[in-house]
Amino acid sequence: NFMLTQPHSVSESPGKTVTISCTRSSGSIASNYVQWYQQRPGSSPTTVIYEDNQRPSGVPDRFSGSIDSSSNSASLTISGLKTEDEADYYCQSYDSSIWVFGGGTKLTVL
Amino acid sequence: EVQLVESGGGLVQPGGSLRLSCAASGSTFSNYWMHWVRQVPGKGLVWVSRINSDGSSTTYADSVKGRFTISRDNARKTVSLQMNSLRAEDTAVYYCARAVGNVARYWGQGTLVTVSS
Repeated sequence: NFMLTQPHSVSESPGKTVTISCTRSSGSIASNYVQWYQQRPGSSPTTVIYEDNQRPSGVPDRFSGSIDSSSNSASLTISGLKTEDEADYYCQSYDSSIWVFGGGTKLTVL
Repeated sequence: EVQLVESGGGLVQPGGSLRLSCAASGSTFSNYWMHWVRQVPGKGLVWVSRINSDGSSTTYADSVKGRFTISRDNARKTVSLQMNSLRAEDTAVYYCARAVGNVARYWGQGTLVTVSS
């Protein structure tokens, strides 16, 4: 099976834009949808992006997702950062009903 | 509103067994695949197992294959994870998740399993 690699941590100031990457180790990033989950401390994960670039209802449009076949990676971009965006973010994809999660990225908004 | 509530976690000795349950409320349970995902405190999410909507098909991560069994009771709106031959490395918070396609659309609050002597 493949792996998804994320940066361990990123930080940015309120109001700025941050992008978190998720690189697939083997197979095409475009072959299976990528999801992004937000997990605040002490809470369960919630979906912020599904099927590469779709936002569930209730997720602000400051959150966007994309994939880049040239780098075989997916990205989560959060614009207009707020302190409430500080959390861990996980990418997830799948192959033959097996889910694969990235290692997670800790976003600090300082 | 969909709610998932896990139960059954606790302290168990290495080699022991534990059965986790996840009770669902809200819209039709029997239409959805269900998954278990675990998380060592302070670490990342790891997929464990999934079961299809009618319970006829299951898949497991290699790390738990042959030791864990996922099942469901659609009449009672529950999904279970029977965990046998538990190891220290199985210590984690276990979440159940209701999937829409391959998206974990709803998550429970998690139940902590600690394997220690």
